[in-house]
Amino acid sequence: EAQVTQNPRYLITVTGKKLTVTCSQNMNHEYMSWYRQDPGLGLRQIYYSMNVEVTDKGDVPEGYKVSRKEKRNFPLILESPSPNQTSLYFCASSFQVRGGGTQYFGPGTRLTVL
Amino acid sequence: AQSVTQPDIHITVSEGASLELRCNYSYGATPYLFWYVQSPGQGLQLLLKYFSGDTLVQGIKGFEAEFKRSQSSFNLRKPSVHWSDAAEYFCAVGLGYGSSNTGKLIFGQGTTLQVKP
Repeated sequence: EAQVTQNPRYLITVTGKKLTVTCSQNMNHEYMSWYRQDPGLGLRQIYYSMNVEVTDKGDVPEGYKVSRKEKRNFPLILESPSPNQTSLYFCASSFQVRGGGTQYFGPGTRLTVL
Repeated sequence: AQSVTQPDIHITVSEGASLELRCNYSYGATPYLFWYVQSPGQGLQLLLKYFSGDTLVQGIKGFEAEFKRSQSSFNLRKPSVHWSDAAEYFCAVGLGYGSSNTGKLIFGQGTTLQVKP
């Protein structure tokens, strides 16, 4: 089944403890992206990647890192999480976006930073 | 600056009634427009999208949307709502879908749909 998977789905952690949220897609998509969703704000893009080893910042990249060593994986890294990073995180992928490619979203990861 | 506004935070309709969810956008160029639906505990699923051509777009689950350039709107409609349509709906403008290829989606705040039996 074609899908975007994220792990973990739920995570409670403490301030300053490094964590990684994994994202994997099995559709051979070139484009991948991370969003965070906060009440009243919709979804905002954190980082995106147009292909392996090519990543760039979105609108809210502060406090986050990403890497794209393989086409299928796009992990989101929080080196020193803070409470303002408590949010619902979505990974998305697309074969291409130019010309209107559909972005497929993962199920989300709910992160709480205490 | 580019933005998307969904004026209705919460809408309640009776099952079988018609539905219209409003979406207004601010974007200088020809927009790429999307409607996504998010069911509780689920990711976002694309309902429909508009890039060019016919301004009335058909999507999945019986939804349609109409692009009106003069009103900067892309309202979502369904003639008869089912209880399973209860969810949160997001309108989005796609930036970077042309030459820049950044693929950024600017989302509205979302509209929560409640369906009464």
